[in-house]
Amino acid sequence: LAKTTQPISMDSYEGQEVNITCSHNNIATNDYITWYQQFPSQGPRFIIQGYKTKVTNEVASLFIPADRKSSTLSLPRVSLSDTAVYYCLVAFNQAGTALIFGKGTTLSVSS
Amino acid sequence: DVKVTQSSRYLVKRTGEKVFLECVQDMDHENMFWYRQDPGLGLRLIYFSYDVKMKEKGDIPEGYSVSREKKERFSLILESASTNQTSMYLCASSTVGQGYEQYFGPGTRLTVT
Repeated sequence: LAKTTQPISMDSYEGQEVNITCSHNNIATNDYITWYQQFPSQGPRFIIQGYKTKVTNEVASLFIPADRKSSTLSLPRVSLSDTAVYYCLVAFNQAGTALIFGKGTTLSVSS
Repeated sequence: DVKVTQSSRYLVKRTGEKVFLECVQDMDHENMFWYRQDPGLGLRLIYFSYDVKMKEKGDIPEGYSVSREKKERFSLILESASTNQTSMYLCASSTVGQGYEQYFGPGTRLTVT
């Protein structure tokens, strides 16, 4: 049974690096992991996506180890405006498509 | 900029009513999705569509149906609304691809009384 698990909450201070890990079982080599950010009263917003090793864009990095049993979203030097809920999504492309979101990690950034 | 719009931000309906939630995207995306979001449960996929008139069930399709007659529009239908369908409903769209990079609408907060 496809499942994704992530911490319920995390706290950080401005300027720190934050790493949020998502555990996902039964993930195949071509299954993508995507991270979204959600602010109150808004729909989730795409942050980053990948299926192996490391992906980096202007706002985040995504690390996927060789065993692919987890992935880590890394936010460098967070600010107060990064306070939000972060979701991982695994697209299980095996015998059809299953899109499984984690339950979300609430990140609180303090000054 | 991709834009996904939903017909209402807030909706209040009575038990047993038929409810239509409309979603429109302006980026010519092939895929469209309906999710519901509940506290502590995250987002759960109700249905998705990969082409006009095509649909696939998600994790929680019971009590819902969908319609996609035009590429840009995807409707979620609650045939007979019940109180346990009170939730936030989110629509999304994406291009074809294994990663499903989705663009979400602002959501519709539906309350069934």
